[in-house]
Amino acid sequence: DTGVSQNPRHKITKRGQNVTFRCDPISEHNRLYWYRQTLGQGPEFLTYFQNEAQLEKSRLLSDRFSAERPKGSFSTLEIQRTEQGDSAMYLCASSYGTGSVNEKLFFGSGTQLSVL
Amino acid sequence: GDSVTQMEGPVTLSEEAFLTINCTYTATGYPSLFWYVQYPGEGLQLLLKATKADDKGSNKGFEATYRKETTSFHLEKGSVQVSDSAVYFCALRSGAGSYQLTFGKGTKLSVIP
Repeated sequence: DTGVSQNPRHKITKRGQNVTFRCDPISEHNRLYWYRQTLGQGPEFLTYFQNEAQLEKSRLLSDRFSAERPKGSFSTLEIQRTEQGDSAMYLCASSYGTGSVNEKLFFGSGTQLSVL
Repeated sequence: GDSVTQMEGPVTLSEEAFLTINCTYTATGYPSLFWYVQYPGEGLQLLLKATKADDKGSNKGFEATYRKETTSFHLEKGSVQVSDSAVYFCALRSGAGSYQLTFGKGTKLSVIP
Protein backbone atom coordinates (compact mmCIF):
# COMPACT_ATOMS: atom_id res chain seq x y z
CA ASP A 1 0.00 0.00 0.00
CA THR A 2 1.85 3.04 -1.29
CA GLY A 3 -1.00 5.45 -0.63
CA VAL A 4 -2.69 7.90 -2.97
CA SER A 5 -0.19 9.68 -5.15
CA GLN A 6 -0.76 13.09 -6.73
CA ASN A 7 1.38 14.88 -9.27
CA PRO A 8 2.66 17.47 -9.50
CA ARG A 9 2.91 18.64 -5.90
CA HIS A 10 2.95 22.26 -6.99
CA LYS A 11 1.88 24.01 -10.17
CA ILE A 12 2.28 27.67 -11.02
CA THR A 13 0.57 28.90 -14.13
CA LYS A 14 -0.52 32.10 -15.77
CA ARG A 15 -4.14 33.08 -16.04
CA GLY A 16 -5.74 31.66 -19.16
CA GLN A 17 -3.48 28.61 -19.39
CA ASN A 18 -4.71 25.03 -19.14
CA VAL A 19 -3.44 22.73 -16.40
CA THR A 20 -3.78 19.01 -15.77
CA PHE A 21 -3.27 17.11 -12.53
CA ARG A 22 -2.88 13.38 -12.06
CA CYS A 23 -4.01 11.11 -9.25
CA ASP A 24 -2.92 7.50 -8.78
CA PRO A 25 -5.22 5.83 -6.24
CA ILE A 26 -4.44 2.84 -4.08
CA SER A 27 -4.37 -0.04 -6.54
CA GLU A 28 -7.44 -2.04 -5.52
CA HIS A 29 -9.64 0.97 -4.87
CA ASN A 30 -12.66 1.28 -7.13
CA ARG A 31 -13.83 4.70 -5.93
CA LEU A 32 -12.06 7.97 -6.60
CA TYR A 33 -12.90 11.50 -5.52
CA TRP A 34 -11.61 14.97 -6.31
CA TYR A 35 -11.87 17.80 -3.78
CA ARG A 36 -10.62 21.38 -3.72
CA GLN A 37 -9.42 23.18 -0.60
CA THR A 38 -8.63 26.85 -0.13
CA LEU A 39 -6.83 28.37 2.84
CA GLY A 40 -8.87 28.31 6.00
CA GLN A 41 -11.64 26.22 4.47
CA GLY A 42 -12.52 22.56 4.48
CA PRO A 43 -12.28 20.46 1.34
CA GLU A 44 -15.04 21.06 -1.21
CA PHE A 45 -16.32 18.17 -3.32
CA LEU A 46 -15.72 18.33 -7.06
CA THR A 47 -16.48 14.93 -8.56
CA TYR A 48 -16.70 11.17 -7.94
CA PHE A 49 -15.81 8.10 -10.03
CA GLN A 50 -16.77 4.51 -9.48
CA ASN A 51 -14.34 2.54 -11.62
CA GLU A 52 -14.29 4.48 -14.90
CA ALA A 53 -17.77 5.98 -14.58
CA GLN A 54 -18.16 9.57 -13.37
CA LEU A 55 -21.25 9.22 -11.19
CA GLU A 56 -21.42 12.55 -9.42
CA LYS A 57 -20.28 16.06 -10.17
CA SER A 58 -20.67 19.16 -8.01
CA ARG A 59 -23.26 21.63 -9.25
CA LEU A 60 -20.72 24.32 -8.42
CA LEU A 61 -18.18 22.89 -10.84
CA SER A 62 -17.51 25.18 -13.77
CA ASP A 63 -17.53 23.68 -17.27
CA ARG A 64 -13.86 24.67 -17.45
CA PHE A 65 -13.19 21.69 -15.20
CA SER A 66 -13.15 18.16 -16.56
CA ALA A 67 -12.05 14.89 -15.04
CA GLU A 68 -11.44 11.44 -16.44
CA ARG A 69 -10.62 8.03 -15.12
CA PRO A 70 -9.86 5.85 -18.12
CA LYS A 71 -9.78 2.11 -17.38
CA GLY A 72 -10.77 2.80 -13.80
CA SER A 73 -7.22 3.31 -12.58
CA PHE A 74 -5.51 6.73 -12.44
CA SER A 75 -7.49 9.93 -12.88
CA THR A 76 -6.77 13.33 -14.37
CA LEU A 77 -8.34 16.67 -13.57
CA GLU A 78 -8.02 19.38 -16.19
CA ILE A 79 -8.76 23.06 -15.73
CA GLN A 80 -9.07 25.09 -18.92
CA ARG A 81 -8.53 28.84 -19.13
CA THR A 82 -7.44 29.09 -15.52
CA GLU A 83 -8.55 32.04 -13.40
CA GLN A 84 -7.02 33.44 -10.23
CA GLY A 85 -9.96 32.05 -8.28
CA ASP A 86 -8.87 28.54 -9.24
CA SER A 87 -5.84 28.86 -6.96
CA ALA A 88 -6.29 26.14 -4.35
CA MET A 89 -5.08 22.76 -3.16
CA TYR A 90 -6.61 19.99 -5.28
CA LEU A 91 -7.05 16.78 -3.32
CA CYS A 92 -7.65 13.28 -4.59
CA ALA A 93 -9.05 10.49 -2.43
CA SER A 94 -9.75 6.84 -3.07
CA SER A 95 -11.58 4.02 -1.35
CA TYR A 96 -12.88 0.51 -1.85
CA GLY A 97 -16.60 0.16 -1.48
CA THR A 98 -19.55 -1.91 -2.57
CA GLY A 99 -23.02 -0.78 -1.61
CA SER A 100 -22.41 1.38 1.45
CA VAL A 101 -20.80 4.75 0.84
CA ASN A 102 -19.41 5.16 4.34
CA GLU A 103 -16.11 3.44 3.84
CA LYS A 104 -12.84 5.13 4.80
CA LEU A 105 -11.41 7.56 2.26
CA PHE A 106 -7.65 7.73 1.76
CA PHE A 107 -6.48 11.19 0.74
CA GLY A 108 -3.39 12.17 -1.19
CA SER A 109 -1.18 15.10 -0.23
CA GLY A 110 -2.67 17.26 -2.96
CA THR A 111 -1.54 19.48 -5.82
CA GLN A 112 -1.16 23.15 -4.92
CA LEU A 113 -2.19 25.34 -7.86
CA SER A 114 -1.22 28.99 -8.04
CA VAL A 115 -2.65 31.07 -10.87
CA LEU A 116 -0.80 34.33 -11.46
CA GLY B 1 -28.23 22.37 1.26
CA ASP B 2 -25.99 20.41 3.57
CA SER B 3 -23.62 22.29 5.84
CA VAL B 4 -21.27 21.72 8.76
CA THR B 5 -20.34 24.31 11.36
CA GLN B 6 -17.29 23.83 13.59
CA MET B 7 -16.02 25.91 16.44
CA GLU B 8 -13.52 28.53 15.43
CA GLY B 9 -9.89 27.86 16.11
CA PRO B 10 -7.11 27.84 16.79
CA VAL B 11 -7.38 25.96 20.05
CA THR B 12 -4.34 25.74 22.32
CA LEU B 13 -4.29 23.28 25.21
CA SER B 14 -1.74 22.00 27.66
CA GLU B 15 -0.82 18.33 27.55
CA GLU B 16 -3.33 16.12 29.44
CA ALA B 17 -6.11 18.72 29.17
CA PHE B 18 -9.65 17.79 28.14
CA LEU B 19 -10.58 18.52 24.54
CA THR B 20 -13.94 19.37 23.02
CA ILE B 21 -14.37 20.55 19.45
CA ASN B 22 -17.96 21.42 18.68
CA CYS B 23 -19.61 20.42 15.42
CA THR B 24 -23.21 20.96 14.33
CA TYR B 25 -24.77 20.15 11.00
CA THR B 26 -27.67 20.76 8.66
CA ALA B 27 -28.59 17.97 6.28
CA THR B 28 -31.43 16.34 4.40
CA GLY B 29 -32.34 12.80 5.26
CA TYR B 30 -30.25 10.80 7.68
CA PRO B 31 -26.60 11.73 7.22
CA SER B 32 -23.52 9.84 8.28
CA LEU B 33 -21.03 11.87 10.30
CA PHE B 34 -17.23 11.83 10.31
CA TRP B 35 -14.20 13.41 11.88
CA TYR B 36 -11.11 13.65 9.72
CA VAL B 37 -7.70 14.80 10.94
CA GLN B 38 -4.77 16.35 9.11
CA TYR B 39 -1.42 16.12 10.87
CA PRO B 40 1.30 18.57 9.79
CA GLY B 41 2.68 17.62 6.37
CA GLU B 42 0.27 14.72 5.89
CA GLY B 43 -2.95 14.06 4.01
CA LEU B 44 -6.39 13.96 5.58
CA GLN B 45 -7.21 10.73 7.36
CA LEU B 46 -10.36 9.37 8.90
CA LEU B 47 -10.39 9.58 12.69
CA LEU B 48 -13.85 8.20 13.46
CA LYS B 49 -17.37 7.97 12.14
CA ALA B 50 -20.99 7.33 13.14
CA THR B 51 -23.67 6.31 10.69
CA LYS B 52 -26.89 6.59 12.69
CA ALA B 53 -28.38 8.48 15.62
CA ASP B 54 -26.94 7.70 19.07
CA ASP B 55 -23.97 5.85 17.57
CA LYS B 56 -20.64 6.65 19.18
CA GLY B 57 -17.51 6.68 17.05
CA SER B 58 -14.17 6.22 18.78
CA ASN B 59 -10.51 5.91 17.87
CA LYS B 60 -7.15 6.77 19.47
CA GLY B 61 -8.88 8.00 22.64
CA PHE B 62 -11.16 10.36 20.70
CA GLU B 63 -14.95 9.97 20.84
CA ALA B 64 -17.97 11.60 19.22
CA THR B 65 -21.66 10.78 19.62
CA TYR B 66 -24.22 11.32 16.84
CA ARG B 67 -26.95 13.46 18.45
CA LYS B 68 -29.89 13.81 16.09
CA GLU B 69 -31.97 15.90 18.49
CA THR B 70 -29.28 18.60 18.66
CA THR B 71 -27.81 17.91 15.17
CA SER B 72 -24.36 17.68 16.72
CA PHE B 73 -21.27 15.48 16.59
CA HIS B 74 -18.83 17.00 19.08
CA LEU B 75 -15.32 15.57 19.26
CA GLU B 76 -13.88 14.85 22.71
CA LYS B 77 -10.72 13.45 24.22
CA GLY B 78 -10.04 13.12 27.90
CA SER B 79 -6.30 13.80 27.88
CA VAL B 80 -4.60 15.30 24.85
CA GLN B 81 -0.98 14.74 23.90
CA VAL B 82 1.46 16.87 21.93
CA SER B 83 1.10 14.36 19.08
CA ASP B 84 -2.61 15.27 18.78
CA SER B 85 -1.65 18.69 17.38
CA ALA B 86 -3.38 18.80 13.98
CA VAL B 87 -6.31 20.27 12.10
CA TYR B 88 -9.62 18.48 12.75
CA PHE B 89 -12.46 18.48 10.22
CA CYS B 90 -16.04 17.50 10.89
CA ALA B 91 -17.87 16.17 7.83
CA LEU B 92 -21.14 14.63 6.79
CA ARG B 93 -22.43 12.49 3.97
CA SER B 94 -26.08 13.14 3.23
CA GLY B 95 -28.43 10.19 3.39
CA ALA B 96 -29.89 11.25 0.03
CA GLY B 97 -27.77 8.89 -2.06
CA SER B 98 -24.91 11.32 -2.58
CA TYR B 99 -21.28 10.23 -2.56
CA GLN B 100 -19.90 13.59 -1.54
CA LEU B 101 -18.60 14.58 1.86
CA THR B 102 -19.44 18.08 3.11
CA PHE B 103 -16.68 19.38 5.39
CA GLY B 104 -16.55 22.06 8.03
CA LYS B 105 -13.81 24.69 7.93
CA GLY B 106 -11.54 22.80 10.29
CA THR B 107 -10.26 23.53 13.78
CA LYS B 108 -6.54 23.77 14.41
CA LEU B 109 -5.43 22.23 17.69
CA SER B 110 -2.05 22.92 19.25
CA VAL B 111 -1.05 20.99 22.35
CA ILE B 112 1.85 22.37 24.35
CA PRO B 113 3.95 20.37 26.81
